[in-house]
Amino acid sequence: AQTVTQSQPEMSVQEAETVTLSCTYDTSENNYYLFWYKQPPSRQMILVIRQEAYKQQNATENRFSVNFQKAAKSFSLKISDSQLGDTAMYFCAFMTTNSGYALNFGKGTSLLVTP
Amino acid sequence: SAVISQKPSRDICQRGTSLTIQCQVDSQVTMMFWYRQQPGQSLTLIATANQGSEATYESGFVIDKFPISRPNLTFSTLTVSNMSPEDSSIYLCSVLKGVGYEQYFGPGTRLTVT
Repeated sequence: AQTVTQSQPEMSVQEAETVTLSCTYDTSENNYYLFWYKQPPSRQMILVIRQEAYKQQNATENRFSVNFQKAAKSFSLKISDSQLGDTAMYFCAFMTTNSGYALNFGKGTSLLVTP
Repeated sequence: SAVISQKPSRDICQRGTSLTIQCQVDSQVTMMFWYRQQPGQSLTLIATANQGSEATYESGFVIDKFPISRPNLTFSTLTVSNMSPEDSSIYLCSVLKGVGYEQYFGPGTRLTVT
């Protein structure tokens, strides 16, 4: 079974600063996909970024980037130039094609961006 | 991406009753999923709904309690039957779309059972 661990229940960062959210996972699969989702108080789940395990290059989306370390089974999210609108719960998620394409989520990290 | 709507957005229901949640997508998709998010918790998969076949349920979820319909490629319903306060959660549908297997979520249905 695959497990996803987010060891930071809560984090805070000042506006314009950089913050890194941690995620580790456990799997015996070789081909899989990793995602970060954002859930603001509106509760809408928003896809932030994704990474294919077969790609060595780390994914980036504007101010969001990942540090994917396949051997260490680590998938951290870096948010640069943090904005107040980044305040949300962030969920790391794992998916394999062999497990029916369903997402397996971590417990989440609550990020607060302060002025 | 995909635009997904859910109805109702929230509801307060009495113990022992049932509620049907609708999920509508703006384009045809093969795979749809239903998740539950209990208060302050992460998301847990209830079932996968594929058009033309019965839903596939995860361990701990049964069809009698959470019947699912998938009549076409843009629509699905989840019914929460014989509700108890423990069923108070946010229920979210999602669809699989894109070459990178992205999942896009509806806005969720907040259910409170009294």
